Amino acid sequence: GQQLNQSPQSMFIQEGEDVSMNCTSSSIFNTWLWYKQDPGEGPVLLIALYKAGELTSNGRLTAQFGITRKDSFLNISASIPSDVGIYFCAGSSYGQNFVFGPGTRLSVLP
Amino acid sequence: DTGVSQNPRHKITKRGQNVTFRCDPISEHNRLYWYRQTLGQGPEFLTYFQNEAQLEKSRLLSDRFSAERPKGSFSTLEIQRTEQGDSAMYLCASKPGANVLTFGAGSRLTVL
Repeated sequence: GQQLNQSPQSMFIQEGEDVSMNCTSSSIFNTWLWYKQDPGEGPVLLIALYKAGELTSNGRLTAQFGITRKDSFLNISASIPSDVGIYFCAGSSYGQNFVFGPGTRLSVLP
Repeated sequence: DTGVSQNPRHKITKRGQNVTFRCDPISEHNRLYWYRQTLGQGPEFLTYFQNEAQLEKSRLLSDRFSAERPKGSFSTLEIQRTEQGDSAMYLCASKPGANVLTFGAGSRLTVL
C-alpha cells in the first residue's frame, strides 16, 4: 500500500530559527495536506496543496507541492514556542483516501 | 459552525467490554471519516461515509468494529469485546466539497 515518510523524525531548534521538513511518497499524489497536532488534540489543517509545483503560504508557514508529485515540503520561519507539536503530511491520489505520514516532532527551545 | 465534535473525549474500559464513540461532523459536509491513531504514528484510515452510505472499510476494521451513520448526520463507531490493542485515539473527520479533512479533537480509548 501507499506509504509516506517524513523527515526528520524530530527536531530541536532555537526560538527564532527557521524550520524545514519534508514528506516523500512511493506513489504520485494529486493533493498534499499539512497538519499540526498538539498533545491530546486532533490534527489541525495548516496548508492544502493541489497542483505540482504549487507554493502556498499561511503566515510564517510555507509549503510546496513537489514537481515529481511524490514529495512535499513545509517551512516555518522565525519559530516561536507555540510552534511546538507534531507536523503530519497527508496525501491522496484521485479517488483514494488520505494517507498520513508518521509525523515530525518539533521542539522549540527558548 | 462549531467544527467536528467527538464524544466522549476519553474512555477507559476493561478488556472485553463494548465501547461506542460518537462524531458530529460539520453540518454541510456530506463525507465523514474515521481514523485511528496510535502513539507515535500518523492517523490510519478506518472507514468513510458519503451521507448514510458506508463506502469503504479498511482491513484494519475487524469484525469487532462497526460504524454507522443512520441519517447521514452524526456517526457512531462501536468496538465490541475490546482488546488491549484497541487502545488508541479514534479521530473523526468530515470533508466538504474541497479535498481537505477537518478533524475533531478525537476520542482516546484505553483498554485495561
